[in-house]
Amino acid sequence: QLQLQESGPGLVKPSETLSLTCSVSGDSISDTSYFWGWIRQPPGKGLEWIGNIYYSGNFYNSSLKSRVTMSVDTSKNQFSLKLTSMTAADTAVYFCARGMGPTRAYNWFDPWGQGTLVTVSS
Amino acid sequence: QSVLTQPPSASGTPGQRVTISCSGGSSNIGSKTVNWYRQLPGTAPKLLIYNNIHRPSGVPDRFSGSKSGTSASLAISGLQSADEADYYCAAWDDGLNGPVFGGGTKVTVL
Repeated sequence: QLQLQESGPGLVKPSETLSLTCSVSGDSISDTSYFWGWIRQPPGKGLEWIGNIYYSGNFYNSSLKSRVTMSVDTSKNQFSLKLTSMTAADTAVYFCARGMGPTRAYNWFDPWGQGTLVTVSS
Repeated sequence: QSVLTQPPSASGTPGQRVTISCSGGSSNIGSKTVNWYRQLPGTAPKLLIYNNIHRPSGVPDRFSGSKSGTSASLAISGLQSADEADYYCAAWDDGLNGPVFGGGTKVTVL
């Protein structure tokens, strides 16, 4: 059964760069039937899509695009997220997830990692 | 302000049927399919419905989805205390060129 696990710092200072890793077990991250995504949830609020990594390339939320970089490490079966210039507004639980579906615009996330809380504070 | 609009709360007694609405526009629900996720307190979202009406393996048929025009609905029949959770709708948005989520609906079993 596929499992995803986020890892990274729980506390980041303002203006610093957040680096998170999602470790995938139970399947190969190289399987081109799927893609991989990051979603975040500010405390007490709803879900916000950050971006997706496809076999053919990466696609990011336009509101975050200038600060986001995603990459895949097939040798470690992991994918990662980097978010620069962190502010208090970026405080959230960050989830990684596997994406699937027939096309890029007709897809869903399943399963999700348990999430990791990232707090931005000095 | 979420792109997709959901009521903030819904409730029912055990055994009742509860319906959650999700309203969008032509760039998302109106032209794409809708997915629903359930988030139990303190846990990650879990896929409940995909492509408007389909249930992943293991999701009971008490949960059903529908879509009409620019709106979608999730129905929970035979409400149970274990159904207390936040429910989110989601759909691809052509303007964002990515998925958008509703603000979530908290279901309470009275």
